Amino acid sequence: QKEVEQNSGPLSVPEGAIASLNCTYSDRGSQSFFWYRQYSGKSPELIMFIYSNGDKEDGRFTAQLNKASQYVSLLIRDSQPSDSATYLCAVTNSGYALNFGKGTSLLVTP
Amino acid sequence: SAVISQKPSRDICQRGTSLTIQCQVDSQVTMMFWYRQQPGQSLTLIATANQGSEATYESGFVIDKFPISRPNLTFSTLTVSNMSPEDSSIYLCSVEDTGADTIYFGEGSWLTVV
Repeated sequence: QKEVEQNSGPLSVPEGAIASLNCTYSDRGSQSFFWYRQYSGKSPELIMFIYSNGDKEDGRFTAQLNKASQYVSLLIRDSQPSDSATYLCAVTNSGYALNFGKGTSLLVTP
Repeated sequence: SAVISQKPSRDICQRGTSLTIQCQVDSQVTMMFWYRQQPGQSLTLIATANQGSEATYESGFVIDKFPISRPNLTFSTLTVSNMSPEDSSIYLCSVEDTGADTIYFGEGSWLTVV
């Protein structure tokens, strides 16, 4: 069974702080890693993807990948109340069929 | 990014009936995917639909319950057959964007079975 694990939260951070969201996966053959944001009642929205070990930055978001530890994380700098949502980690070992974690609920408090 | 349209966006269905969900993409794509998101749960892949071949179903999903069509490179349908309340879910279509090397989702179809 290929597992993608996330802490369900809720993770509560004050406005302006850094939110750190974590994800572990069991399939060592995993090659591509995605972070989606899902607001209540909406479909998932792609935030970032990462394929190589290390960090990838896009605006306030940084994805970090460590394949040896089978760990991927998402950092959100200068968190805003509008960032409050569920963040889904998704992994694939080939093609584009994704295996999702259960998601982490983030609450950014003013 | 690809623009993905799904119909219907929401529906309330009677137990025992079937409903077909449509997914239209604004560009040609090789693979289209159908996911289900049950209340309070994450997304689970139902099947992969390639044009010109039978859909490939994931464990726990069968063609009789979730028949899929893929008549061309921009369109697919998913039918939820003989619905029960357990089928109340969001059904999402997704496509690969090989140019961006990533995956996008449609807006989803919210089904409630009563």
